Amino acid sequence: EVQLVESGGGLVQPGGSLRLSCTASGFTFSNYWMHWVRQAPGKGLVWVSRINSDGFSISYADSVKGRFTISRDNAKNTLYVQMNSLRAEDTAVYYCTRGGASGWFDPWGQGTLVTVSS
Amino acid sequence: QSALTQPPSASGSPGQSVTISCTGTSSDVGRYNYVSWYQQHPGKAPKLMIYEVSKRPSGVPDRFSGSKSGNTASLTVSGLQAEDEADYYCSSYAGSGFVFGTGTKVTVL
Repeated sequence: EVQLVESGGGLVQPGGSLRLSCTASGFTFSNYWMHWVRQAPGKGLVWVSRINSDGFSISYADSVKGRFTISRDNAKNTLYVQMNSLRAEDTAVYYCTRGGASGWFDPWGQGTLVTVSS
Repeated sequence: QSALTQPPSASGSPGQSVTISCTGTSSDVGRYNYVSWYQQHPGKAPKLMIYEVSKRPSGVPDRFSGSKSGNTASLTVSGLQAEDEADYYCSSYAGSGFVFGTGTKVTVL
């Protein structure tokens, strides 16, 4: 079974940092693009970042550029996002998802909640 | 990277059809055939329903279909069933990244 499991969410103060992880199983992790997508409470989905299979092609949404860093460890089948200078508006459930060549996202992890508040 | 525009809500009775629009620009929906659709039930992760405008992943009922014309993509759910009540989001490749729609809540009356 193809599965993605996120971890690392929690409560952090404004200006703080957090690193999320996403462990993959059931497929050849090193063959796929991977993405982070977030969803603020009661709001819609927002694409955050992507990384290609070997980690050398990376993109970010303008809202997180310069603050978030996506990375991956193919030996550990794990995707990461390092989030610095966190703001209240970064409060959301963060999902990791596998990306297809034609831009589809499947499957999705269960999500991990990040709350930025003092 | 502005969100794609979807109607906030849509509804239909069981057995009827409902169509959801997803309007972008010539830089995203209009430029690429990389439009996908996702179903999200409350408290759950999104699920891929349509990719590359009109293709269905294995396991998705053929009641779900997609199309595109110009800068607007559409998702049609035919033969509505109670379990189709959910939020639906479109997504499109936009060159340097991706953009999602604003989301549509589908209610089965």
